Amino acid sequence: AQTVTQSQPEMSVQEAETVTLSCTYDTSESNYYLFWYKQPPSRQMILVIRQEAYKQQNATENRFSVNFQKAAKSFSLKISDSQLGDTAMYFCAFMKGGGSQGNLIFGKGTKLSVKP
Amino acid sequence: GAVVSQHPSRVICKSGTSVKIECRSLDFQATTMFWYRQFPKQSLMLMATSNEGSKATYEQGVEKDKFLINHASLTLSTLTVTSAHPEDSSFYICSARERGGNQPQHFGDGTRLSIL
Repeated sequence: AQTVTQSQPEMSVQEAETVTLSCTYDTSESNYYLFWYKQPPSRQMILVIRQEAYKQQNATENRFSVNFQKAAKSFSLKISDSQLGDTAMYFCAFMKGGGSQGNLIFGKGTKLSVKP
Repeated sequence: GAVVSQHPSRVICKSGTSVKIECRSLDFQATTMFWYRQFPKQSLMLMATSNEGSKATYEQGVEKDKFLINHASLTLSTLTVTSAHPEDSSFYICSARERGGNQPQHFGDGTRLSIL
């Protein structure tokens, strides 16, 4: 069975600074996908970034980037130039590949507060 | 981008009432839809996976007679909470996955259910 662990229940960062959220996972699968979702106070789930396990290059989306360490099963999210609107819960998620149903397995989340 | 509409956003009703929540993919066909439950300050818990035209697959511990799921078309899945009780009060979120390949899930905005 796959598990996703987010070891930081809460984090805070000053506006314009950089913050890294940690995520580790455990799986015996070779084909899988990793995601970071953001859930602001409105509780809408927003896809932030996605990484295919077979790709060595780290995914990047504007101010958001990941550090994907496949051997270590680590998938951290870096937010650069933090903005007040980045305040939210951040969930790391795992999905099996290879034509699976596509179930997402979520970590427990990290509450990020961006302070002015 | 892919849009998922979930309705209603908020329901308050008396104990014993049955409540139906709709999840629609507006601009894509979703062969698979997922229903999650989220308790306050916790992660999303998968309740069931719904495939168009077939019976839903429920996660362990989720009562299928309590939480009826119907996925009658490629754009609509419904969750009916039957004979709801206060302990069913929660935040329910649906997601839909596009047809083909390893597509990400797109989430609805959630339904806050309060049973009095």
